[in-house]
Amino acid sequence: DGGITQSPKYLFRKEGQNVTLSCEQNLNHDAMYWYRQDPGQGLRLIYYSQIVNDFQKGDIAEGYSVSREKKESFPLTVTSAQKNPTAFYLCASSRGGEVWNEQFFGPGTRLTVL
Amino acid sequence: SQKIEQNSEALNIQEGKTATLTCNYTNYSPAYLQWYRQDPGRGPVFLLLIRENEKEKRKERLKVTFDTTLKQSLFHITASQPADSATYLCALSRARNSGYALNFGKGTSLLVTP
Repeated sequence: DGGITQSPKYLFRKEGQNVTLSCEQNLNHDAMYWYRQDPGQGLRLIYYSQIVNDFQKGDIAEGYSVSREKKESFPLTVTSAQKNPTAFYLCASSRGGEVWNEQFFGPGTRLTVL
Repeated sequence: SQKIEQNSEALNIQEGKTATLTCNYTNYSPAYLQWYRQDPGRGPVFLLLIRENEKEKRKERLKVTFDTTLKQSLFHITASQPADSATYLCALSRARNSGYALNFGKGTSLLVTP
């Protein structure tokens, strides 16, 4: 079964802690994306990667970091510098390279700061 | 600046009727518009893509129209069913130098009652 997975489904973080959200895809997609969704808000772009070993900041990258060491993996670290990290985090992938490619989303990780 | 607007008010309709959702946008050219469905606590699922030079696209009970003069897309679900109840997101592609990431509207919630 091809798809995109995220783990964990729920994550609780204490203030001052860094946490890492996992995103894995077996669709052989080149492009991967991280979005954040807050209640009543649209999805906002955090980081994206068009190819292995390369990634770019999105609109709200402050307090986040990513890596793309393997094609299938794009983990997101929420650092203590992110002041309001409680949100629903969505990872997506696409074939990349063309403007009309749809994106495939994972099931999301809900992060709560205690 | 680029904007995407969807009706913020929830749409309540009776089973069997046609649901029509609206997406208005500014400053996307060329425009490649996608519609996604999102169920509570889950990732969005791609439904349809319509390109700037297409007037209409159909898929089973779904129909999307695109009016580039009005900068508007209409999303129709015919013979609606309670299982169609969800939030529907409109998205437009950014340029290649932004990795073809998507900008999303805030979504319109649809409730289909028996």
